[in-house]
Amino acid sequence: NAGVTQTPKFQVLKTGQSMTLQCAQDMNHNSMYWYRQDPGMGLRLIYYSASEGTTDKGEVPNGYNVSRLNKREFSLRLESAAPSQTSVYFCASSEAPAGVSNEQYFGPGTRLTVT
Amino acid sequence: AQRVTQPEKLLSVFKGAPVELKCNYSYSGSPELFWYVQYSRQRLQLLLRHISRESIKGFTADLNKGETSFHLKKPFAQEEDSAMYYCALSGVGTSYDKVIFGPGTSLSVIP
Repeated sequence: NAGVTQTPKFQVLKTGQSMTLQCAQDMNHNSMYWYRQDPGMGLRLIYYSASEGTTDKGEVPNGYNVSRLNKREFSLRLESAAPSQTSVYFCASSEAPAGVSNEQYFGPGTRLTVT
Repeated sequence: AQRVTQPEKLLSVFKGAPVELKCNYSYSGSPELFWYVQYSRQRLQLLLRHISRESIKGFTADLNKGETSFHLKKPFAQEEDSAMYYCALSGVGTSYDKVIFGPGTSLSVIP
C-alpha cells in the first residue's frame, strides 16, 4: 500500500497562475481532507469530503476549489494563485464517517510558493 | 465551537528530563482526542489517541474532561523526540467528520 500520495512535491507559481494539486489514497477510506500548514498557525482545514460525491468547506476555503473525483482521488485547485497561498499543503484520508475513529493518514505534502 | 489550543509554540528540554506538552480543547459533545507528530522531513503521523489508552514511544496522554485537557507526557525525553507535535480533536457520534488541529508545539530535546 502506498497510503496517501500527493503530486507535485514542489511548485512555484506566479501570482494569477492556476494549478491543481492531486491526491490519491489506496486504503478505501471514505473521507479525504486538504490542509495547509503555516508557521505558527498549525494545520488549517481547507476543504474536506466525507464521501464520494460530497465536499464541504473547512476553516480557510477562500481561493480554493476541490473535486472528489472518485473514492480514491481528491484534488485541490487554485484558480488564481496569490502570495498568501504560499504554504505547505497536506492531503489526508480517514476511514470515518461518524461513529468510527477519525484517525487521519497524511500524504507527504506539497510545498507551494507563489511569487 | 470546536477549538484546540496548545499554549507553547516552542519547548526545549534536556535529554533525560520529563516533558509535558499541553493541550486544551473546547467541545460541547463527546470528543475524540489525538496527538500527531511530525519529525523533520517526514509526514504527519498519529502518535496516540485517548480511546486506546496506550503508551507509544514512552508517551502517554490522559483525557481530563473536567479540565478539558489532553496533555502529552514522557518521563525521560530522548533526542529522537525532537519534532513538531499537534493535538487534534474530532467529534464522536455525530455526522461531523472534521478533525480540528491545534497550532502545534515544536519540541527540542537538548543533548
